[in-house]
Amino acid sequence: GQQLNQSPQSMFIQEGEDVSMNCTSSSIFNTWLWYKQDPGEGPVLLIALYKAGELTSNGRLTAQFGITRKDSFLNISASIPSDVGIYFCAGPPGSGTYKYIFGTGTRLKVLA
Amino acid sequence: KAGVTQTPRYLIKTRGQQVTLSCSPISGHRSVSWYQQTPGQGLQFLFEYFSETQRNKGNFPGRFSGRQFSNSRSEMNVSTLELGDSALYLCASSLAGGLSYNEQFFGPGTRLTVL
Repeated sequence: GQQLNQSPQSMFIQEGEDVSMNCTSSSIFNTWLWYKQDPGEGPVLLIALYKAGELTSNGRLTAQFGITRKDSFLNISASIPSDVGIYFCAGPPGSGTYKYIFGTGTRLKVLA
Repeated sequence: KAGVTQTPRYLIKTRGQQVTLSCSPISGHRSVSWYQQTPGQGLQFLFEYFSETQRNKGNFPGRFSGRQFSNSRSEMNVSTLELGDSALYLCASSLAGGLSYNEQFFGPGTRLTVL
């Protein structure tokens, strides 16, 4: 079935470092959503992207909608301990569907 | 504005039983989606409801069912529980109307354990 592959799968970084992660699909997406999930909680929406090439920021987070519409990127600048969690990309593949597909997740651990 | 609420937060059942989970969307949101999250399979789409109609269904057996009420609140039911149904069940709501793609906002989830 449809899959969104995220990389890296996990990463350890030092506090203050910048982080980059990406999400790729075998098919076209018209919307990309980035979520963060803390243990035992539901995912929290970070950024939504709607146009190919779009670059959107939310504080220290910046996400981009790939021009091929088959990928998206999330960057976190100057990471802090509370950035720890699992980051997911998601979206409805193609058009006319309400069936959202989620990525495999990137687990981020920040070392103080 | 209150977020998405899910009840109960935790549930323990035994194999063969059935369970009903409840979700109240954000006020004004008319679309409710349900997801199953497990360590092995990640977040998997179950179904989505809008105006009391199921618009999309994921690849789950018929033991998984849902419904939406006129006030947009939704329930999902799992019958004849199996050990593999142990998971975090997440509900998400969005404004979504027509074919526009709107952001989904998640509740805290219901942790179901099947013994």
